[in-house]
Amino acid sequence: NAGVTQTPKFRVLKTGQSMTLLCAQDMNHEYMYWYRQDPGMGLRLIHYSVGEGTTAKGEVPDGYNVSRLKKQNFLLGLESAAPSQTSVYFCASSRSGRATGELFFGEGSRLTVL
Amino acid sequence: AQKITQTQPGMFVQEKEAVTLDCTYDTSDQSYGLFWYKQPSSGEMIFLIYQGSYDEQNATEGRYSLNFQKARKSANLVISASQLGDSAMYFCAMREARSGNTPLVFGKGTRLSVIA
Repeated sequence: NAGVTQTPKFRVLKTGQSMTLLCAQDMNHEYMYWYRQDPGMGLRLIHYSVGEGTTAKGEVPDGYNVSRLKKQNFLLGLESAAPSQTSVYFCASSRSGRATGELFFGEGSRLTVL
Repeated sequence: AQKITQTQPGMFVQEKEAVTLDCTYDTSDQSYGLFWYKQPSSGEMIFLIYQGSYDEQNATEGRYSLNFQKARKSANLVISASQLGDSAMYFCAMREARSGNTPLVFGKGTRLSVIA
């Protein structure tokens, strides 16, 4: 029962380096999301996708890019990491985009930018 | 404007007592869903309970119930008979049905500590 899997779980970067976070889901969900969690801020939406080949901006998209080339994968890229991007990143997926659609979350990826 | 407001950054409760975590929301939609998630110290997000805006009865899931007051736009989580394992962050979230797809919007969370 894999559900939503995020890799890597932990990463330390230097300012200016690039990296990609991979999210994979095996539930055949159409909708996928990337959130970041910072202390006292809750979870804030970075980007999301309503299907293969489509992406959309969320609340805090600056400094990030995403791609959804395959239905099961949703990649989050940082082209030039900044200390402000130190955070815990959560990927989530849902079967439906309707109000009733529960989100299933990965375990999170802790990123530190020095 | 904040769509989800959780006014209690931290709460304490004695083991075996009930506790209410507050959540108010802001939407002009008639159709929306309200969710509560638990995040223990291990970090994962665990879905607890869901309430639809058209549901007439309050949602319940085991020891969790959602006190839904639509006119007040509140969706408080009630945990009965608190256990030490309930110590965690709790997030209220809302999903609107405006365009057929809107992501989940989260509040800032309430940290619950259960005392033995």
